[in-house]
Amino acid sequence: DIRMTQSPSTLSASVGDRVTITCRASQTISSWLAWYQQKPGKAPKLLIYDASTLESGVPPRFSGSGSGTEFILTIASLQPDDIATYYCQQYNNYRTFGQGTRVEI
Amino acid sequence: QVHLQESGPGLVRPSETLSLSCSVFGDSVSRTGFYWGWTRQTPGQGLEWIGSVDYRGTSSYSPTLKSRVTMSVDTSKNQFFLKLMSVTAADTAVYYCTRDRFVEWVLDSDYWGQGALVTVSS
Repeated sequence: DIRMTQSPSTLSASVGDRVTITCRASQTISSWLAWYQQKPGKAPKLLIYDASTLESGVPPRFSGSGSGTEFILTIASLQPDDIATYYCQQYNNYRTFGQGTRVEI
Repeated sequence: QVHLQESGPGLVRPSETLSLSCSVFGDSVSRTGFYWGWTRQTPGQGLEWIGSVDYRGTSSYSPTLKSRVTMSVDTSKNQFFLKLMSVTAADTAVYYCTRDRFVEWVLDSDYWGQGALVTVSS
């Protein structure tokens, strides 16, 4: 199994802040990584795939970077609508998710 | 706009089989380049991919659940299905159906259903 570890588990920031979330894989996964946003009571929503490709309709303040074992999701300027839990997912070998990062204001 | 909708019993007895359906609107389950999958979410274990299947019935299952899972597709009804056998309380979760991108293997999930809570209890 490929284990995905996210940090931090919880993040508190202010509107307008630059926010970064890190996801580390237990072995190399090339760029086979997605990021999802989940709001309470809702299904996850795809934000970024293949580590850095923005899904259609997702605001450009979201960006992804990294390859191999370390990946970063960046929110350039945090907005109130970005309050959610964020998950990374690898799909290099089957599919596994990180444990999530909760973003608070 | 693609829309997925889960349906099935909300309560399943221990040792029995959990069965869920997913209806697809705005797309065809026969479309190439996509698989149709299931992911579940529990408070304790977070998000867990169960498996994915294409319109021909070619499937990829999580190694952890493979021995208990069967997925299938009905192209005439534009639906796909999940069966999880011998359930225990640990299978209590919100179950999501998804559309999964596929190139040479299953990739990310670009559309998700709203989720169906299934509780395993006697």
